[in-house]
Amino acid sequence: GENVEQHPSTLSVQEGDSAVIKCTYSDSASNYFPWYKQELGKRPQLIIDIRSNVGEKKDQRIAVTLNKTAKHFSLHITETQPEDSAVYFCAARSSGSARQLTFGSGTQLTVLP
Amino acid sequence: KAGVTQTPRYLIKTRGQQVTLSCSPISGHRSVSWYQQTPGQGLQFLFEYFSETQRNKGNFPGRFSGRQFSNSRSEMNVSTLELGDSALYLCASSLTGPDSGNTIYFGEGSWLTVV
Repeated sequence: GENVEQHPSTLSVQEGDSAVIKCTYSDSASNYFPWYKQELGKRPQLIIDIRSNVGEKKDQRIAVTLNKTAKHFSLHITETQPEDSAVYFCAARSSGSARQLTFGSGTQLTVLP
Repeated sequence: KAGVTQTPRYLIKTRGQQVTLSCSPISGHRSVSWYQQTPGQGLQFLFEYFSETQRNKGNFPGRFSGRQFSNSRSEMNVSTLELGDSALYLCASSLTGPDSGNTIYFGEGSWLTVV
């Protein structure tokens, strides 16, 4: 089955700096890669997603890049703000028979004021 | 439009008991999936239902079961509770199914503590 690895597990940045979180996946048949943000005690919320026919996608300060050859995708947050502090999860979904989301282990992002 | 609603939000059970958790998906969403979230194991897929049929199942023992009703509401049941079942159980819904490319929306979750 699919395996998703996420790095780093914790990340601290100064307010205004950029943050990058990286994920690798194992199943070359995976075709959908969402990113979720989870604040303490709250539900995971989708912040951006990318499909395998696209190499990059941006939404204001957030961008995701996908390298299908290397089987990795990354989340980029620019001009970080304290409210960006949360746990971020990457996920991958295979187009094969087992079509559930497989999540990475999460990255605790702390933006220092 | 109401989001994914899960009940109860918090509950405490004793080892050996059973528990039933409920999930109401976003109106119009027919796919409901369940995930277990623990600090050590992260978010792990339990099962997914679509049109009252279980379509996918994760790697959990048979003590974990679920069902979906004709109105797309779903329940999951855990029998013979163990201490390790203490976790946040998240329900997620999507318009058709996770395999169709539609966005998956999560509920606030049910916090289960087994003592």
